[in-house]
Amino acid sequence: DVKVTQSSRYLVKRTGEKVFLECVQDMDHENMFWYRQDPGLGLRLIYFSYDVKMKEKGDIPEGYSVSREKKERFSLILESASTNQTSMYLCASQDRDRMYGYTFGSGTRLTVV
Amino acid sequence: DAKTTQPTSMDCAEGRAANLPCNHSTISGNEYVYWYRQIHSQGPQYIIHGLKNNETNEMASLIITEDRKSSTLILPHATLRDTAVYYCIVISRDYKLSFGAGTTVTVRA
Repeated sequence: DVKVTQSSRYLVKRTGEKVFLECVQDMDHENMFWYRQDPGLGLRLIYFSYDVKMKEKGDIPEGYSVSREKKERFSLILESASTNQTSMYLCASQDRDRMYGYTFGSGTRLTVV
Repeated sequence: DAKTTQPTSMDCAEGRAANLPCNHSTISGNEYVYWYRQIHSQGPQYIIHGLKNNETNEMASLIITEDRKSSTLILPHATLRDTAVYYCIVISRDYKLSFGAGTTVTVRA
């Protein structure tokens, strides 16, 4: 039973393209997060959202934006993709009211050429 | 900054128990200890979590010291499919999750 769904498993985009990564969760969680994961650097937080239409910058927000128009959907936007944004992108949602557990999506491996 | 420290790597023989230690000496009273694992090119998978008491589920056991400053994840009978990176993290409400490098566990036949 999939609970956090990322729209694409693999994606190849060209430099300068606008890229949308979609994430949907069906657990009614308030908190949602976007991370990127690179070898040797662990998971780094890009943006997070504690509620609909709310967003906050994480540790590495440059070059990214997000949208949270509905509670279940949190989108990551690369305004103008660059090769240094080639990475694994992970979406997660958090149960804020019950033991705070995170559920991750299966990830999107983005390659910018 | 990651709030936990774990060994970089560990080998384990198939069928034997794997004991993965984690130090979280700055944990506060309302923070839970969670364990996740990540198999190559997949999203992190939940294993188990605990607050104070030891916990067991179908995947693993979690032993938390009385002072809560450290814990041990036990995989009772490791299989080749348990080869993964294991992350120990502490989580509280609205906490921005921080993963360290984790422990790379290699189960050998």
